[in-house]
Parts: sequence; C-alpha cells; structure tokens
Amino acid sequence: LAKTTQPISMDSYEGQEVNITCSHNNIATNDYITWYQQFPSQGPRFIIQGYKTKVTNEVASLFIPADRKSSTLSLPRVSLSDTAVYYCLVGGRADTNAGKSTFGDGTTLTVKP
Amino acid sequence: NAGVTQTPKFQVLKTGQSMTLQCAQDMNHNSMYWYRQDPGMGLRLIYYSASEGTTDKGEVPNGYNVSRLNKREFSLRLESAAPSQTSVYFCASSGWDRGQTYEQYFGPGTRLTVT
Repeated sequence: LAKTTQPISMDSYEGQEVNITCSHNNIATNDYITWYQQFPSQGPRFIIQGYKTKVTNEVASLFIPADRKSSTLSLPRVSLSDTAVYYCLVGGRADTNAGKSTFGDGTTLTVKP
Repeated sequence: NAGVTQTPKFQVLKTGQSMTLQCAQDMNHNSMYWYRQDPGMGLRLIYYSASEGTTDKGEVPNGYNVSRLNKREFSLRLESAAPSQTSVYFCASSGWDRGQTYEQYFGPGTRLTVT
C-alpha cells in the first residue's frame, strides 16, 4: 500500500492561496493521486486527481513533480467555507485496485477571517 | 440519483448486541467500501468489495462481517458490539466520473455508540 504523509494542520486567512503537500515515497507506476475534502459530520468528497505535472479544475490545482514522490494541492483564494480536513490518497484507477489505497489522518485546514 | 445512502443515521447499542448497517448505491459502481472514523482521526478501511460476489478485509476487519447482497447493496454487521466500535461508519462506492476521474463517493455516515 502506498503510504502518505501530510501535515497535521495548517492555518490560513481568507483570500490567501493555500498549498498542502503530501509525501508518497513508494508510489507505484500505475498509481494516481487523489485529494478529498471532508467537512464535519459529512463523508469525504472528491476534489482533484492527477498522475503527473499539473492538473487544474474549477476549485483547485494539483502539482506533481517528475519523480511523483510528493504532490501539492493548491487552493486559490480560500474562504471560511474551505475550513475542512483534506486527504491525499494514492492508488490505481480500477476496480481491481479497490482497497489498495488508504486514507491517512489528513490535514486540518483552518481559514481565519 | 440518490448516490450512496446509509441506514440508520444514528444508533445506540449495548455491549454484546448485534446490528447491521445498510448501504446502497445507485451509480452502477462495481466497488464498495466500509470505513470507520474515530473522533479526530482519519478513515480506516474495514472491508471492501471490488465487485459483486467478492469481499476482502481492509485495515481493521476484526469484529465485523460484510455481505455484498447484489451490485447495489453492501451491508456491515457487528455480531457482538464493543465500546471500541463506537465510531462513525461511512460507506462508499467507486467508479468513473465522466470517464475522466476514478473516485470514491461517500454516504452520509452512521453514528454508532456502544455503551
């Protein structure tokens, strides 16, 4: 299983850009990197997924260096509603890989006014 | 689409009692999962089912059993509840979103307290 390591917590202020880094030194060749967001009393929800270089969608960007041993989730201009726990997950994109990736303890992001 | 639904939302059990948590998805996903989340902690995988008719243990399977009843439904059973099983239980299913990303979709969770 690809183990991931993230900072336990981060603080930011409204309007700032936030970068959360995840380490995954034993990532496999066919593994993708996926980030999830979880609000209190809710299940996690998908934010972004990528394999290499940079991926951008309407809510975030994901930067993956060439060696793929880490990744950085970038949240532009955060607001109070972005206060949540963010999880990095490494695994394959197929049902045959189900259960072969694990959620770590995540990063608790607190956005202050 | 309802997505992933779970019942019940809340449950209180006494030590030694049994119960079954129900989960259903309407997204035609092959894979389904059961996680537990203790206060202030991340999610830990209990069991998963990669496809209909198969189930496998995750990180923390002791004290639990599962049944993949059909493609839609995946249930989790506690045969003899213990206080250490007090947690929030999430069911999830996984599949392709618009053919672009492969992701897990989570239900709203069941809050279980064992006294």
